[in-house]
Amino acid sequence: GQQLNQSPQSMFIQEGEDVSMNCTSSSIFNTWLWYKQDPGEGPVLLIALYKAGELTSNGRLTAQFGITRKDSFLNISASIPSDVGIYFCAGPGKLNRDDKIIFGKGTRLHILP
Amino acid sequence: DVKVTQSSRYLVKRTGEKVFLECVQDMDHENMFWYRQDPGLGLRLIYFSYDVKMKEKGDIPEGYSVSREKKERFSLILESASTNQTSMYLCASILPSGTAYGYTFGSGTRLTVV
Repeated sequence: GQQLNQSPQSMFIQEGEDVSMNCTSSSIFNTWLWYKQDPGEGPVLLIALYKAGELTSNGRLTAQFGITRKDSFLNISASIPSDVGIYFCAGPGKLNRDDKIIFGKGTRLHILP
Repeated sequence: DVKVTQSSRYLVKRTGEKVFLECVQDMDHENMFWYRQDPGLGLRLIYFSYDVKMKEKGDIPEGYSVSREKKERFSLILESASTNQTSMYLCASILPSGTAYGYTFGSGTRLTVV
C-alpha cells in the first residue's frame, strides 16, 4: 500500500536554529498536508499544499510541494520553545480519495535549553 | 471553528473490561475516524465511518468495534481491554468542503489498561 517516509525521526536543536524535515511518498500525491502535535494534544493542521512546486508559508513555517509530486518539505525558521512537538506529513490515501488520509510517522522536535 | 470533542483525556481500565471512547463533532459532517498513536509507529487507522450506521475497518481493527448511531457521535469500543491496547486514541473528522482539506482532531484520550 501507499507509504509515507518522514525524516528525520527526531531532531535536537538549539533555540533560534532553523529546522528542515521532509517526507517522501511511494506514489504521486495531489495534496500534501503538514500537521503539528503539541505534547498531550491532538494534531493540528499547519499547512496544506495543492499544486506541484507550490511554496506556502504560515508565519515562520514554510512548506513546499515537490515537483515530482512524491515529496514535500517543511522548514521552520528561528525556532522557539513552543515549536516543540511532533510534526506529521500526510496525504490522500488509496486512489487519492480525499476523505481518507495517510500519515508519516512523524518528526519529533526537541529544543535544547 | 470546527470542533471535535473526546469525552475523556485520561482513562485507566482493567484487563477484560469493556471500554467506550466517545467522540462528538459539532459539524453536520459524515466522515469520522479513530486512530491510535504509539511511539515509533505514528498514527494508525482503526475504524472509520462515512455515515450513520456505516463503518469500515481501517488498518488495525482487531480487538475494536465502533458505533455510529447519530451523525455527530462516533464511539470506539474495546470489547475486552488488553494491556497491548494501552495507547493514545485520537478521533478525527474531515474538514467541511470549502475549507482547507484535511482532518480536525480531538485532543486525544490516553488509555492505560492495567
